[in-house]
Amino acid sequence: NAGVMQNPRHLVRRRGQEARLRCSPMKGHSHVYWYRQLPEEGLKFMVYLQKENIIDESGMPKERFSAEFPKEGPSILRIQQVVRGDSAAYFCASSPMTGNTEAFFGQGTRLTVV
Amino acid sequence: DQQVKQNSPSLSVQEGRISILNCDYTNSMFDYFLWYKKYPAEGPTFLISISSIKDKNEDGRFTVFLNKSAKHLSLHIVPSQPGDSAVYFCAGSGNTGKLIFGQGTTLQVKP
Repeated sequence: NAGVMQNPRHLVRRRGQEARLRCSPMKGHSHVYWYRQLPEEGLKFMVYLQKENIIDESGMPKERFSAEFPKEGPSILRIQQVVRGDSAAYFCASSPMTGNTEAFFGQGTRLTVV
Repeated sequence: DQQVKQNSPSLSVQEGRISILNCDYTNSMFDYFLWYKKYPAEGPTFLISISSIKDKNEDGRFTVFLNKSAKHLSLHIVPSQPGDSAVYFCAGSGNTGKLIFGQGTTLQVKP
């Protein structure tokens, strides 16, 4: 039973380019959460999605960031026109249901903007 | 607004002794608390959780205590092992499963 799969593990982008981060949840999990960890900080919630729906995007920056979880395929976190401050580790977590159950995390994508 | 706080950035203990990691929260709406362990360049790994209606949960070497009146929880690891050296995050969760994390505490267990 494969865990949460994120790819790529490392991503380097020049300022102004687009970054696409992918997350395949564990089998049977329909709830996906994205978190960002800036250097020397804890993980910050970004967005919570179920299949084809954004449930809570209260942690997403207002501009340049978007997320989707289509009916088929992985969840995508998209960052347009990246800036140096977007450099961070982005983690995806999945759970089988909402509410009080532990979420399982992927290995993360480390985005470096040069 | 830091809803979950881990005020000790680091902790060092001797192998075999007890490690106690602390966490404070301000949001009374959390109904579930979780501890995650994280190694460098890896994702967080779930360790143990506790419902807000409980005051203790134990799993092997790991015990979590919750003091609701003080809005404080702690993770006890006994006996500590060198492999426990990692960053430990506590998190609060509401009914959507969204996690609010503390800043983390780096635990070093010395042989």
